Amino acid sequence: EAEVAQSPRYKITEKSQAVAFWCDPISGHATLYWYRQILGQGPELLVQFQDESVVDDSQLPKDRFSAERLKGVDSTLKIQPAELGDSAMYLCASSHPGGLYEQFFGPGTRLTVL
Amino acid sequence: AQTVTQSQPEMSVQEAETVTLSCTYDTSENNYYLFWYKQPPSRQMILVIRQEAYKQQNATENRFSVNFQKAAKSFSLKISDSQLGDTAMYFCAFMKHASDDKIIFGKGTRLHILP
Repeated sequence: EAEVAQSPRYKITEKSQAVAFWCDPISGHATLYWYRQILGQGPELLVQFQDESVVDDSQLPKDRFSAERLKGVDSTLKIQPAELGDSAMYLCASSHPGGLYEQFFGPGTRLTVL
Repeated sequence: AQTVTQSQPEMSVQEAETVTLSCTYDTSENNYYLFWYKQPPSRQMILVIRQEAYKQQNATENRFSVNFQKAAKSFSLKISDSQLGDTAMYFCAFMKHASDDKIIFGKGTRLHILP
């Protein structure tokens, strides 16, 4: 069964360092989402891609966060420099137009900033 | 702006019992979609059930069913014959009409099924 892949699963870094997360959506899924999930809360959308184009990045802290999906397939989310408040789970999800708006989620990357 | 509220941070029920998770939302839209997602411990989030606002009939998926009250903006999830594998965080979520498929999640309800 096709799944959304994410790596790494866990990342520990010190503040002011740079970190990067990778996501490979389900093959054929044109829409890709990055969410941040703070412990005990629901996911919040950071950025949404349609193919290689950004559809919504209104909640992305652009002074330190960047995201790209150069070939419209896999995607990278980067934080530079990391801050203590960035500690969270970063979830990637994908969907396709015929999927009745169901989003398929990856296992997430748990980031701890020390 | 749309909001989703889950008023039960945590619940516990015995195995085989029925449990209902509450969700209310606020929107001025007439056409939208509602979802319940399940996030098991250390596993990825999966869709449990979805409801289209224009459909009056409540959605059902095996042991999972919803009570959708559009006028009251309420969307509760009922789990019948609960199983240990139902232990998870449950998120209620809202999405506007298809032209904008951004999902707004509630804060979640942590459900424990006790043996």
